[in-house]
Amino acid sequence: DIQMTQSPSSLSASVGDRVTITCRASQAIRNSLAWYQQKPGKAPKLLLYAASRLESGVPSRFSGSGSGTDYTLTISSLQPEDFATYYCQQYYSTPWTFGQGTKVEIK
Amino acid sequence: QVQLQQSGPGLVKPSQTLSLTCAISGDSVSSNSAAWNWIRQSPSRGLEWLGRTYYRSKWYNDYAVSVKGRITINPDTSKNQFSLQLKSVTPEDTALYYCAREEYDSSGYSSGLDYWGQGTLVTVSS
Repeated sequence: DIQMTQSPSSLSASVGDRVTITCRASQAIRNSLAWYQQKPGKAPKLLLYAASRLESGVPSRFSGSGSGTDYTLTISSLQPEDFATYYCQQYYSTPWTFGQGTKVEIK
Repeated sequence: QVQLQQSGPGLVKPSQTLSLTCAISGDSVSSNSAAWNWIRQSPSRGLEWLGRTYYRSKWYNDYAVSVKGRITINPDTSKNQFSLQLKSVTPEDTALYYCAREEYDSSGYSSGLDYWGQGTLVTVSS
């Protein structure tokens, strides 16, 4: 199985801050990576797929980059509604696997 | 607009079978450009993909090794839904279970899990 390691596991930030979350795969996944946002009591919501493609309706302050084994989710200017937990997921080969999550909290 | 509506019991006794259903609206379980997944979430395991079913001229299934031998995911074309059965459950199977759609483009590339059910908390306890 491909292991997905996210960092940091949590972070504190203020509204307007630029936030970066990284995800490292245990092997190259050729941009077959998605990012999700999850709020308490809700299902995960797809933000980006193919490492950098924005899902329809997702604000442009979210962006993704990376290649090979290393990928990044960036929130350019953190908004109040962005405080949540973020997960990466590889879909290069089954079983699909997720990172352990990064909780973004209010500073 | 695709919607996935989950149903099934929230309490299952140890050694019994967990059964959940995911009813699809706005898409077809037989779609050639979708796959239908089950994922669970628990504090100890995080988000764990369990398996999927999909139709590409015939039906296919993929299952996680961690539950292989205990899991069955079946499509029901007459009701446009798919189901999860997990046999011989233990308290370790206690989790929030989700169904989710995975869409594929015309080139066969996945665009992630774009629609999710509301989640069903399943507790395994006597």
